[in-house]
Formats: sequence, structure tokens, C-alpha cells
Amino acid sequence: GDSVTQMEGPVTLSEEAFLTINCTYTATGYPSLFWYVQYPGEGLQLLLKATKADDKGSNKGFEATYRKETTSFHLEKGSVQVSDSAVYFCALSDQGGTYKYIFGTGTRLKVLA
Amino acid sequence: DTGVSQDPRHKITKRGQNVTFRCDPISEHNRLYWYRQTLGQGPEFLTYFQNEAQLEKSRLLSDRFSAERPKGSFSTLEIQRTEQGDSAMYLCASSVAGYTDTQYFGPGTRLTVL
Repeated sequence: GDSVTQMEGPVTLSEEAFLTINCTYTATGYPSLFWYVQYPGEGLQLLLKATKADDKGSNKGFEATYRKETTSFHLEKGSVQVSDSAVYFCALSDQGGTYKYIFGTGTRLKVLA
Repeated sequence: DTGVSQDPRHKITKRGQNVTFRCDPISEHNRLYWYRQTLGQGPEFLTYFQNEAQLEKSRLLSDRFSAERPKGSFSTLEIQRTEQGDSAMYLCASSVAGYTDTQYFGPGTRLTVL
């Protein structure tokens, strides 16, 4: 079945450092891909998405490119801030009719001032 | 703000008791999903409604779990005879059927079974 694999955390960076969180997927068909962010005690917020190969999603300085050839959707940010500290989830949308999400296990990011 | 709302936000119960959670999706969203998230894990799909019809249930959804969406609006998730293993965050999400499959999540209900 479909699956998503994320790099394990926690990831600890200094403010203004470059961020990469790796995400690869296995899926039949051509799923949409998403990054969600979860702040402590809160639900999931959509960060960005891409719906087809070579699409680049971007939001709040974060970017991710849908790479069909490597089945990847890595999240990047050029300069992280303390306020970016959160858990980041990569997900795909099952194209079998329900469009339910398959999530990775999440990567905790901690940014130090 | 007319996002997805869930009630209650926290629920503490004793093993063996029944609990019910409510989710109010974004109005005009005809798709509704329930997920369960345990500590340190990503959310896992439980069940899906399109309007009032429950179209898919995960194998995670044992016989003790039941979900409804009367009239295609709000949804309830009931757990009967709770067990300690049911302790988790229960998330609800909604979306609009069509070309976009973006889901919008509520804040979740955190269940603790003692």
C-alpha cells in the first residue's frame, strides 16, 4: 500500500540556519503531496502542497518540489526562525477515491536563538 | 473564524466508560475524515464520510468504535468500553469534493483513558 517515509528527528538548528527535512513516498498513481505543521497543543495546519510532478509548493519561506523520478518531496527553508519550532508532517493523498491522507511519522524541529 | 471545530478538546475517562466526540466541519465541505494520532506518530486514518454516507472504515476502527454524520453536517465518533490503548489525539478534517483534495484539520480531542 501507499506509504510515506520521513527523516527521523529531532532536528536542532540555530536561528538563520538552512533546513532540509527529507520525505519520500511510495504510491500507485500520482498522489498529491502535502506538508503540514503542528505546533504544541494544536491541530495540523497546511504548510504547502503540490499536486503534480515538478510542481513547487511554497509558503512562509518554506519550499518543496514534487520529484516523481525520486519519489520525494523534501521540505526546505533558507533561514529558520525560533518560531518555526514545531513538528512537520509529510503526507500524500490516496487517489483511490476517498483521498484519505497517509502521513509520515513527523519530524520535530527545534530552533535555538 | 469558520474552521473545523471539535468538542471537547480534552477528555479524561476511566477504562470501560463510553465517550463521544463531536466534529463540526467547515460549512459546504462535504467530505469529512477522522484520524487518530498517538504520541510521536503521524495521524492514522480511521474513517471517511461523503455527505452522510460512511464510505470507508480503517481496520483500526474496531467494533467498539462507531461514527455517524447525520444530515451530512457535523459528525460524532463514539468509543464504547474504552481501553487504555484508546488514549490518543482524535483529529477531524474536512474538504470539498472536486479537483482539490486539501483537508483542513480541527484542533483535535485528546483522550486519556485511566
